[in-house]
Amino acid sequence: EPEVTQTPSHQVTQMGQEVILRCVPISNHLYFYWYRQILGQKVEFLVSFYNNEISEKSEIFDDQFSVERPDGSNFTLKIRSTKLEDSAMYFCASSVETDQPQHFGDGTRLSIL
Amino acid sequence: DQQVKQNSPSLSVQEGRISILNCDYTNSMFDYFLWYKKYPAEGPTFLISISSIKDKNEDGRFTVFLNKSAKHLSLHIVPSQPGDSAVYFCAAGFVGSQGNLIFGKGTKLSVKP
Repeated sequence: EPEVTQTPSHQVTQMGQEVILRCVPISNHLYFYWYRQILGQKVEFLVSFYNNEISEKSEIFDDQFSVERPDGSNFTLKIRSTKLEDSAMYFCASSVETDQPQHFGDGTRLSIL
Repeated sequence: DQQVKQNSPSLSVQEGRISILNCDYTNSMFDYFLWYKKYPAEGPTFLISISSIKDKNEDGRFTVFLNKSAKHLSLHIVPSQPGDSAVYFCAAGFVGSQGNLIFGKGTKLSVKP
């Protein structure tokens, strides 16, 4: 069964450094998403992406964050200058349509030191 | 922000019996609901969904019930199996939006042999 893949599984970065999290969505899916889960808290929506542009973003997704689909398969989340509070699990998801189930990757654990 | 609430952090059930997981929501504009299952170190896995035009959806051992007047949904697992032991997340969204899902905090289900 096709799946969403995320790399790396764990990323450790110094505060203030830039980090790029990578995702390969399911190949026939058109909508892409990033969520995050801070330890002990809910899964929170960050951003949705369709047709090479952001379609919706949450208040968490400030100017430090950006997303890109650099080629036909990858979908990336960049955090420009990481803060301690960016430490979390980051999940990528994709769906065929917005009213179809989103399928999630196994996440990247981001640890900011 | 508690738009989607799962008030039971944990539930323990005997193998073969019914598991009932509950979820309440506050925003009456939600029109699409999903249940996800999550094992440790993995991403959420889609289980079953229901739109607001239905009050029941069934898929094998899993049935989701929606009570719009009470703003309540539940997931029934019959019969429960030890492999069902996981954290279950309820999520809600708007069909007309760009896919932003609001998640509950999750309920940890333990199915004992």
